[in-house]
Amino acid sequence: ETGVTQSPTHLIKTRGQQVTLRCSSQSGHNTVSWYQQALGQGPQFIFQYYREEENGRGNFPPRFSGLQFPNYSSELNVNALELDDSALYLCASSSVTGGSGGYTFGSGTRLTVV
Amino acid sequence: GENVEQHPSTLSVQEGDSAVIKCTYSDSASNYFPWYKQELGKRPQLIIDIRSNVGEKKDQRIAVTLNKTAKHFSLHITETQPEDSAVYFCAATSGGYQKVTFGTGTKLQVIP
Repeated sequence: ETGVTQSPTHLIKTRGQQVTLRCSSQSGHNTVSWYQQALGQGPQFIFQYYREEENGRGNFPPRFSGLQFPNYSSELNVNALELDDSALYLCASSSVTGGSGGYTFGSGTRLTVV
Repeated sequence: GENVEQHPSTLSVQEGDSAVIKCTYSDSASNYFPWYKQELGKRPQLIIDIRSNVGEKKDQRIAVTLNKTAKHFSLHITETQPEDSAVYFCAATSGGYQKVTFGTGTKLQVIP
């Protein structure tokens, strides 16, 4: 058990709908990053949250938004879903200790947009 | 921003042989280079990492080398086993907020 949990594990939504994905970070980790992994591709950085604020963002439109809560858990919200949003969404937690460290990934949420 | 290129995209080796995966990065400020293994349907898992002040790191059958001047780093797996079969991703970390940029992945198949 890695300590990073994501919910739900699978989700099917219709184009145009909105979705919220959830992530609980590993104990002791204060930073949460979200990634989108399309089939056969590497994970693409969406954004990162640290101390409840967005701390960096990748090349994703504003309809991808997020939150981090005081207990360091996080949500990823996607509005106006498009078919291309179908992917595995990975949450990763890490600890900012003044140096770079490896992520601990959750098992992901597989989102299918139909 | 950072760009990480990885090759080969697929690699087949006989059990017991060595496998080498190579990556290049573009941002000279990148200072941390993790490698992840992702089995089918599972999460990426960190298998080894290297920091920019080190040229080589080894952990049992796995080793990573880094050439900062040339901006490339490599993963070496010796005495490969069928359970090494997976997709391997290299990555580079840049920016004060630890943004991790992944390569496109290498699908390694170890043939028994």
